[in-house]
Amino acid sequence: DIQMTQSPSTLSASVGDSVTITCRASHSITTWLAWYQQKPGKAPKLLIYDASTLESGVPSRFSGSGSGTEFTLTISSLQPDDFATYYCQQCHSYWSFGQGTKVEIK
Amino acid sequence: QITLKESGPTLVNPTQTLTLTCTFSGFSLSTGGVGVAWVRQPPGKALEWLGLIYWDGDTLYSTSLQTRLTITKDTSNPQVVLKMTNVDPGDTATYYCAHLTARRFDFWGQGTLVTVSS
Repeated sequence: DIQMTQSPSTLSASVGDSVTITCRASHSITTWLAWYQQKPGKAPKLLIYDASTLESGVPSRFSGSGSGTEFTLTISSLQPDDFATYYCQQCHSYWSFGQGTKVEIK
Repeated sequence: QITLKESGPTLVNPTQTLTLTCTFSGFSLSTGGVGVAWVRQPPGKALEWLGLIYWDGDTLYSTSLQTRLTITKDTSNPQVVLKMTNVDPGDTATYYCAHLTARRFDFWGQGTLVTVSS
């Protein structure tokens, strides 16, 4: 099984900050990686797939990069609506999620 | 517009079989490349992929749960059913179904909380 490890687990930031979340895979997954945003009590929402492709309707301040085993999600100018938990997901060999990164208000 | 909604019991006794239904609209599970996945999330914890069924009936399951899971699709109605046998309190979670296309889960149901307790 492919294990996904995210860092940090929690990130404190202010509106307007640029933040980066890292996701590492235990084996190469080429670019078979997606990012999801989840708010309390809500279902996850797809933000990015194929490591760097923005899902339709997702603001351009979200971006993803990486390949192989190391990936990043960057939010270029944090907005109030962006405070949430973010999950990476590999879809190279079956599917598995990282443990999540909570972005909280500083 | 694609929508999915999970339904089933909110409380299940330990050792029983949990049966959840995902009712969807806006797509056909007969269309090539399409699937429906199940994901769960214990309270305060991370997402866990459980399994999925493809348009052609093929199924894939998490290796850790494959002996306890069965996913089927209804050929007459837009529904997918998840069965999990021998549940225990560790299976307490919100269960989601999601639309799968090109390996990504692009639409999700609202989730249903299932508690396993006697």
